[in-house]
Amino acid sequence: EAQVTQNPRYLITVTGKKLTVTCSQNMNHEYMSWYRQDPGLGLRQIYYSMNVEVTDKGDVPEGYKVSRKEKRNFPLILESPSPNQTSLYFCASGEQPQHFGDGTRLSIL
Amino acid sequence: EDKVVQSPLSLVVHEGDTVTLNCSYEVTNFRSLLWYKQEKKAPTFLFMLTSSGIEKKSGRLSSILDKKELFSILNITATQTGDSAIYLCAGSTRNYGGSQGNLIFGKGTKLSVKP
Repeated sequence: EAQVTQNPRYLITVTGKKLTVTCSQNMNHEYMSWYRQDPGLGLRQIYYSMNVEVTDKGDVPEGYKVSRKEKRNFPLILESPSPNQTSLYFCASGEQPQHFGDGTRLSIL
Repeated sequence: EDKVVQSPLSLVVHEGDTVTLNCSYEVTNFRSLLWYKQEKKAPTFLFMLTSSGIEKKSGRLSSILDKKELFSILNITATQTGDSAIYLCAGSTRNYGGSQGNLIFGKGTKLSVKP
């Protein structure tokens, strides 16, 4: 079954404590991306990757890092999380159509 | 700056009504226009449009793109309560080599269908 798996699904943490949200896909897609969704602002792209070792900034990359060392994985790293990064995060894989993961709800206190 | 604007932001209709959702875009290096439906969880893909004037249809849903006027519409006929969702429109940029670059989403239209 085609899947995009994000972990964790929920996380409450504190300002400044580094965290990583993992994303894995089993469809051999080259294109993967990360989004955040906030009320009133919609979905905004953070970073995307067109292939292994190829990543590029989306609309709101500040405060985030990504890596793409292997095709199936595209982790999102928050080196020093802040409360304004409290949001619902989606990982997506593929182009048309994009397959979305179920989301990760992050709360930064 | 690239942007996608959807209207209306919310809409309440009754079952059986027909609705039209609007999406205008300003996207440099435009590649395609996409529609998604979001219920409680992740967005699910509806349509991708790349050419003007060619209607895409799936059951009661249809969509068309006008690349001259930079807008798209999503029509839903004979609405049902299961159509209640947020409908998202996104413009895709073209990256080097013609592959997909950035995706810019609109804020969505929240559709509520009353029985």
